[in-house]
Amino acid sequence: RKEVEQDPGPFNVPEGATVAFNCTYSNSASQSFFWYRQDCRKEPKLLMSVYSSGNEDGRFTAQLNRASQYISLLIRDSKLSDSATYLCAVNVLNYGQNFVFGPGTRLSVLP
Amino acid sequence: DAGVIQSPRHEVTEMGQEVTLRCKPISGHNSLFWYRQTMMRGLELLIYFNNNVPIDDSGMPEDRFSAKMPNASFSTLKIQPSEPRDSAVYFCASSLYAGETQYFGPGTRLLVL
Repeated sequence: RKEVEQDPGPFNVPEGATVAFNCTYSNSASQSFFWYRQDCRKEPKLLMSVYSSGNEDGRFTAQLNRASQYISLLIRDSKLSDSATYLCAVNVLNYGQNFVFGPGTRLSVLP
Repeated sequence: DAGVIQSPRHEVTEMGQEVTLRCKPISGHNSLFWYRQTMMRGLELLIYFNNNVPIDDSGMPEDRFSAKMPNASFSTLKIQPSEPRDSAVYFCASSLYAGETQYFGPGTRLLVL
């Protein structure tokens, strides 16, 4: 089983729709969680960190479910500019610390 | 503030040649990461440094790959000899401390013919 898994999509949704992505992780010792956004031929950029209590930033809401070992990202009122690949990242504790990125979920928001 | 700087942005080379990728992390960041991204394998961590010391190089595919960080503001990833299967986008990222938010450079697109 891969350490971090995501549905690759693509998710094709109309403008204004609400869309949700999940990301599952296998290591129960994982400590911190992030959502990154990657536009075509660009670098990943931090979208938001994911806190235990859940957090919201405008139209974006991130949640963590430690019991089931997944994080989610909800995008409300989707815009054309939300079209991108969304990568989750999990900080896995080992003898050092590093991120493990999921494969990404591609979102296309259609007019 | 300048973000992570990588050079070159594009590199086309022939199989067997040496390739050197360069990275300047964000000033004050203590951790530096090298990733490789391909369609097939996604974003893979190759190696990361804390305070200029390599901590985990288990992602380095083979001995043809080597990375150095001689000081806090500079790192290199070298491939010698290069092979067509090394073609990918190589990203450098830095963070204040390991486990904190990582900030990525624009990447180097490498094509090995």
